[in-house]
Amino acid sequence: GAGVSQSPRYKVAKRGQDVALRCDPISGHVSLFWYQQALGQGPEFLTYFQNEAQLDKSGLPSDRFFAERPEGSVSTLKIQRTQQEDSAVYLCASSPPSTGGGTEAFFGQGTRLTVV
Amino acid sequence: QQQVKQSPQSLIVQKGGISIINCAYENTAFDYFPWYQQFPGKGPALLIAIRPDVSEKKEGRFTISFNKSAKQFSLHIMDSQPGDSATYFCAARNSGNTPLVFGKGTRLSVIA
Repeated sequence: GAGVSQSPRYKVAKRGQDVALRCDPISGHVSLFWYQQALGQGPEFLTYFQNEAQLDKSGLPSDRFFAERPEGSVSTLKIQRTQQEDSAVYLCASSPPSTGGGTEAFFGQGTRLTVV
Repeated sequence: QQQVKQSPQSLIVQKGGISIINCAYENTAFDYFPWYQQFPGKGPALLIAIRPDVSEKKEGRFTISFNKSAKQFSLHIMDSQPGDSATYFCAARNSGNTPLVFGKGTRLSVIA
C-alpha cells in the first residue's frame, strides 16, 4: 500500500517568499504530525492533528508558520515570508487510530526546503 | 532542555561486531520508546520499540535494553552489516498518539 506522501520533495525559495508543503497521510490514519529536521539533527516537533482538529501547535517556531488539515486527510504546512533559518527538511508522519497505548508513526520522505 | 539525550554522536564498527547506542530521558511520563533508522534522503523508519513494562525486547539482530530506574535505554545491533550504516534516532513519547521527542542521532558506519 502507499505510504505517507509529501510534495514537493525539494523546494528552493527566495527569502521573503511564501511556501506551502503538502502531506498525504496513509488512508485511515487519524493522527498527523509535522516535524522539522535541521541538517545533522533529530526531527523536532512542530504541530499535530487528530482528524481535522489541531491538538498542539506549540512547536511552531513563529507566527509565520501555519498548518491546516481541513477535511481530516491531506495537510498543508505553510511558511510565510521565509527566512534562511527556515531551511530544513520538513517531515510528515501519520498514525492509525489508537485504543490507548498509541500506535506506530509512519514517516514520509520529507520536503527539503532551501531558502536563498 | 533536551528531553532525550543520545550518545555517541557517531560510531564506527567492524562488520560482524556489535553496535551499541545509548539514550537517557528525563520525563517519567514517557511510556513508549522507539528507535528509528534513517538513510540519506529518506524519512525515519521504525526499527524496534519498547514500553516500560519490559526490560528487553529482541527482534532479529536488534535488541532494546530498558532500565526504568536509571531512565536509560539502549539499542544493540548484533552481527552489524554494512547495510546497517545509517543514522539512528532514539525517541520517546507519552501515552497515546502524541508527538515523539527525538534524540540528536547517531551516525553508524559499519566497515568491512
